[in-house]
Amino acid sequence: AQKVTQAQTEISVVEKEDVTLDCVYETRDTTYYLFWYKQPPSGELVFLIRRNSFDEQNEISGRYSWNFQKSTSSFNFTITASQVVDSAVYFCALSERNTGTASKLTFGTGTRLQVTL
Amino acid sequence: DTAVSQTPKYLVTQMGNDKSIKCEQNLGHDTMYWYKQDSKKFLKIMFSYNNKELIINETVPNRFSPKSPDKAHLNLHINSLELGDSAVYFCASSQGVIAGAPDTQYFGPGTRLTVL
Repeated sequence: AQKVTQAQTEISVVEKEDVTLDCVYETRDTTYYLFWYKQPPSGELVFLIRRNSFDEQNEISGRYSWNFQKSTSSFNFTITASQVVDSAVYFCALSERNTGTASKLTFGTGTRLQVTL
Repeated sequence: DTAVSQTPKYLVTQMGNDKSIKCEQNLGHDTMYWYKQDSKKFLKIMFSYNNKELIINETVPNRFSPKSPDKAHLNLHINSLELGDSAVYFCASSQGVIAGAPDTQYFGPGTRLTVL
């Protein structure tokens, strides 16, 4: 069975600090897919990134970067120079390869990030 | 241009009532999903439909019945509402699975259901 662990329940930082959100996953599959979603206070779920297990290149998108390490089953998310607008709950999720027509996302419990002035 | 929309956004009702939540996507996706987010923010899949066919049916009370009139719509009907049904319900859509790879799921804004 697949499992996603986000051990940090809540993180508070001051604006402009860098912050890393941890995500550790478990799966028996050799091919799998990892995702990060953001849930701001307004409540919607916003897709941030998708990563395939066979692509271990790290990715940077503006102030956001992701570090994927298969050896430690981790897919961590770093926000550089955080801003108040980054305040949200961030979810890491996992989906396994399958031959059907639909796939399910297994979510972590989320990390609430609070960025203050 | 809302990609995945849900109505209503808020739903407050009494125990024992029957209610429906509607979901529509204009992304041209074949697959739609319902997820439940509980009070601790935990998200869990409930159902998935592909082109009007039920594909995923997690352990959900049979008081919950999804209905897909066409591939752009997936509604959720809940009978005999209970206090424990209070949650935020999210609809999502994707292209499903392409060559074994799950496509990214895009979520609607959520419907906050409160059962009194």
